[in-house]
Amino acid sequence: EIVLTQSPGTLSLFPGERATLSCRTSQSVRSSIAWYQQKPGQAPRLLIFDASNRATGIPARFSGSGSGTDFTLTISSLEPEDFAVYYCHQRSNWPWTFGQGTKVEIK
Amino acid sequence: EVQLLESGGGLVQPGGSLRLSCAASGFTFSSCAMSWVRQAPGKGLEWVSSVGTDDDTYYADSVKGRFTISRANSRKTLYLQVNSLRAEDTALYYCAKNLPGRPFDFWGQGTLVTVSS
Repeated sequence: EIVLTQSPGTLSLFPGERATLSCRTSQSVRSSIAWYQQKPGQAPRLLIFDASNRATGIPARFSGSGSGTDFTLTISSLEPEDFAVYYCHQRSNWPWTFGQGTKVEIK
Repeated sequence: EVQLLESGGGLVQPGGSLRLSCAASGFTFSSCAMSWVRQAPGKGLEWVSSVGTDDDTYYADSVKGRFTISRANSRKTLYLQVNSLRAEDTALYYCAKNLPGRPFDFWGQGTLVTVSS
């Protein structure tokens, strides 16, 4: 099983600041990483697929990068609606796995 | 409009069974792979099972032999038969869709399964 480790566990930032979230995989997943955003009481929403491609309707302030085992989600300037939990997900190998999540909270 | 509507959750005793359903609309169901992902209260996401467009099935080790995923394209419905339930199966069970080779692009709102005596 490929283990995904996200860091930090919690990120405390002000609106307008830049957020950098990390996801490391226990073995190479090439570029088969997606990022999801989840707000309280809501289902996850796809942000980024194949490491760096924004999903339909996702604002340009969200960007993804990386390949192999190290991946990054960057939110260039946090809007109030961006405070949420973010998960990375690999579908390179079965079983598919998720990271444990990074909570982005308002400082 | 894409919709995934889960149902069938509830309170069940350890060792019990349930059949979860996910009714799909607004897209070509037969062209999409379908999956179940669960989230225990206050915890992260855990992939449970997937079924491809060719009916190939995949399971997490934690549910293999106890859960069975299936799909009925004519009814645009996804199912998850959950047997031999344990306390650690308590979670919100989401249905999610994806095009083959692509990530989950839409999720339902989930159905809650609570395993307790």
